[in-house]
Amino acid sequence: QKEVEQDPGPLSVPEGAIVSLNCTYSNSAFQYFMWYRQYSRKGPELLMYTYSSGNKEDGRFTAQVDKSSKYISLFIRDSQPSDSATYLCAMSLGNTGFQKLVFGTGTRLLVSP
Amino acid sequence: NAGVTQTPKFQVLKTGQSMTLQCAQDMNHNSMYWYRQDPGMGLRLIYYSASEGTTDKGEVPNGYNVSRLNKREFSLRLESAAPSQTSVYFCASRGFGQGGEYNEQFFGPGTRLTVL
Repeated sequence: QKEVEQDPGPLSVPEGAIVSLNCTYSNSAFQYFMWYRQYSRKGPELLMYTYSSGNKEDGRFTAQVDKSSKYISLFIRDSQPSDSATYLCAMSLGNTGFQKLVFGTGTRLLVSP
Repeated sequence: NAGVTQTPKFQVLKTGQSMTLQCAQDMNHNSMYWYRQDPGMGLRLIYYSASEGTTDKGEVPNGYNVSRLNKREFSLRLESAAPSQTSVYFCASRGFGQGGEYNEQFFGPGTRLTVL
């Protein structure tokens, strides 16, 4: 079993829809939870991060962490065609010193006009 | 700042050929990483360098070697390329941080490698 599981999609939605992307994980020691966005033929870029449990909002994007269920989510409101990309979740044990990230496989999102 | 740069952008090799992928960062980061990305497999860590002068194996190190040339540069070498090494390779770097704001891992644009 992989340490981080993520549905690869693709997930196709019409413009304006609310999108929900999810990951589950097995290591309860993870403290930092990240969402990276990767456009086609580009490197991943950090979209948001959350420390421990709770919600974090940034514009149209909301990240949620439920450590009791080992489940994290990214919600995109009023989705736009420019949101079409692959979204990768990632996790780490901490923030200081050297850290390795553990990535999900990524979910491909397609937002049609 | 250029961030993380990688060369070449594209490469086609024949089985058995060797090549070196170059990576450099200008953010004074301590740690650097090499990943490969394959469909359905996500990003898999090949090798990493926690700090200048150290390197360690990641999840899929077989068939690769690395050199941390200095704090800025971290190269990945394929000594005898195999078709299974056809992939997109990403280099990344990250500062150590002292707590507080999250220390992001920055990625390069990638190298698309095909081994025939």
